[in-house]
Amino acid sequence: DSGVTQTPKHLITATGQRVTLRCSPRSGDLSVYWYQQSLDQGLQFLIQYYNGEERAKGNILERFSAQQFPDLHSELNLSSLELGDSALYFCASSVGVSPGEKLFFGSGTQLSVL
Amino acid sequence: GNSVTQMEGPVTLSEEAFLTINCTYTATGYPSLFWYVQYPGEGLQLLLKATKADDKGSNKGFEATYRKETTSFHLEKGSVQVSDSAVYFCALGQSGAGSYQLTFGKGTKLSVIP
Repeated sequence: DSGVTQTPKHLITATGQRVTLRCSPRSGDLSVYWYQQSLDQGLQFLIQYYNGEERAKGNILERFSAQQFPDLHSELNLSSLELGDSALYFCASSVGVSPGEKLFFGSGTQLSVL
Repeated sequence: GNSVTQMEGPVTLSEEAFLTINCTYTATGYPSLFWYVQYPGEGLQLLLKATKADDKGSNKGFEATYRKETTSFHLEKGSVQVSDSAVYFCALGQSGAGSYQLTFGKGTKLSVIP
């Protein structure tokens, strides 16, 4: 058990809908990361937050947004969903942003857009 | 930008065979290098890491050496077991401007048969 909790584990929805994925980082970790894993693209970095502030953005679509709350949990909002958004979404956390930081990953949320 | 290239899978080996998974990277500055492993149905977990040139990371019989001259971080194990069957990801981590990013390769699926 990594200590990172993601809910829900599975999500099935229709095109055009909006969903929210939730992540609770390991106790004491201030940094949260979101990744999208698909068969063709591999593991793509979406966004990083540190202590409530956005710190880095990767290949995140404009239809997607995220935030980190004062209690350090994070939510990833996906809207106007398309078939191609079907993927496994991982949250990870780390203590900080120092070189060599180790990331702890949750078990992921499997999103299926039908 | 940063990128990681690792050998395409899948790789199928017999138990006790020697394993090499090649990984090369492109990055500016001095990144840290990692190997993460993903077992079926789980999130990624850190296998080993190296934070500077010529460092060797090792764990559970796996080893990788940070070679700056060849920009490589190949994963090796002398004798694989069935329990090593998983997907292996090479990654590089870089800090900057208050952020930290981990860039992953596409992953190599390893199957070990008895």
